[in-house]
Amino acid sequence: AQSVTQLGSHVSVSEGALVLLRCNYSSSVPPYLFWYVQYPNQGLQLLLKYTSAATLVKGINGFEAEFKKSETSFHLTKPSAHMSDAAEYFCAVSEAGGGADGLTFGKGTHLIIQP
Amino acid sequence: NAGVTQTPKFQVLKTGQSMTLQCAQDMNHEYMSWYRQDPGMGLRLIHYSVGAGITDQGEVPNGYNVSRSTTEDFPLRLLSAAPSQTSVYFCASSYSGSNQPQHFGDGTRLSIL
Repeated sequence: AQSVTQLGSHVSVSEGALVLLRCNYSSSVPPYLFWYVQYPNQGLQLLLKYTSAATLVKGINGFEAEFKKSETSFHLTKPSAHMSDAAEYFCAVSEAGGGADGLTFGKGTHLIIQP
Repeated sequence: NAGVTQTPKFQVLKTGQSMTLQCAQDMNHEYMSWYRQDPGMGLRLIHYSVGAGITDQGEVPNGYNVSRSTTEDFPLRLLSAAPSQTSVYFCASSYSGSNQPQHFGDGTRLSIL
């Protein structure tokens, strides 16, 4: 069975500072990994995905994530936070193969940007 | 291109009532799914479908029913609403499975009194 752990339900950073949101996963097979963002009263939008092509994945809005198999991690980073980055962020995993069993989500991290 | 459309956006029900949450997509996606989002719980899979006529249960299927008669539509039925089903419900679709980026609707906020 697969699972996702996001460390920190709330993360606060100053505008212009580095953003680091942590995600660790467990999976019995090589996984597909995703980061989604949710703005208030909206659905989820894909930030980026890992599908084994490259360990460093670049996404939208300046975000990127690095897949580290030895650490079973897929942390999300952004060099310089912007006020518009304030949102809920979800890490999710799907097992490779048929991929019919749905995504397993972490519990989410609420990113707060301090002016 | 509307993407994934969910209706209604808000609904209040009394315990024991039934209702159907509608989900439609116009991207010709084969894979569709329903999630519920509860505070501090992330999203949990209720039911999913890999194509018309094929559905299966997810992590939290009890109290919900689905059908997939067309590629476009994937309604979620609450058979007898309970307060524990108060949640935000999201429908998602993708070309062929959960290992591909999902397109999410804007959600239905459901309160059961």
